Amino acid sequence: DQQVKQNSPSLSVQEGRISILNCDYTNSMFDYFLWYKKYPAEGPTFLISISSIKDKNEDGRFTVFLNKSAKHLSLHIVPSQPGDSAVYFCAARDDKIIFGKGTRLHILP
Amino acid sequence: SQTIHQWPATLVQPVGSPLSLECTVEGTSNPNLYWYRQAAGRGLQLLFYSVGIGQISSEVPQNLSASRPQDRQFILSSKKLLLSDSGFYLCAWSNEPYEQYFGPGTRLTVT
Repeated sequence: DQQVKQNSPSLSVQEGRISILNCDYTNSMFDYFLWYKKYPAEGPTFLISISSIKDKNEDGRFTVFLNKSAKHLSLHIVPSQPGDSAVYFCAARDDKIIFGKGTRLHILP
Repeated sequence: SQTIHQWPATLVQPVGSPLSLECTVEGTSNPNLYWYRQAAGRGLQLLFYSVGIGQISSEVPQNLSASRPQDRQFILSSKKLLLSDSGFYLCAWSNEPYEQYFGPGTRLTVT
């Protein structure tokens, strides 16, 4: 049973527009949420995180929104750039970090 | 600064052969260490984690095992590989409860 779900396996966005990556979770005990970015044949790199006591965290072009009542979080990238093309993993933590299956983001020229 | 190394980067092994993947971390002490697998079309699956030397927790029953002979060394092993063991294996470390830092990964193909 997947506790962290990324229902869109892939997403294509025009360069310069906003990319919105979505993630749903089922475990209400998760207290911390993270986004990782992964290029092919490389390990994931930490991107941004949010504590469950907050509803928004922003870092440059990246903003994560958390809706606890809906058990939903999203990552917004604006403006999208070609280097943003990668697989993005949503993750959540209770006593260990649990990852979603990832969403492949394609930034179109 | 901290760095994490994994080797080999790529490995092709026949079914039934043994496996040993090594991960080492530099620049930190007593890290938590993790082994993940990313199989084709799947996300990151936690296989093992360790909070100290000789302390291994297994998340998924399978024919793999892990060992931590030294503080900053984590080894993933198998006595006999299966076709289903093919995938991208990632080692990660953390010193905080919330963020993990991943190594470059090992691409394993079992033929």
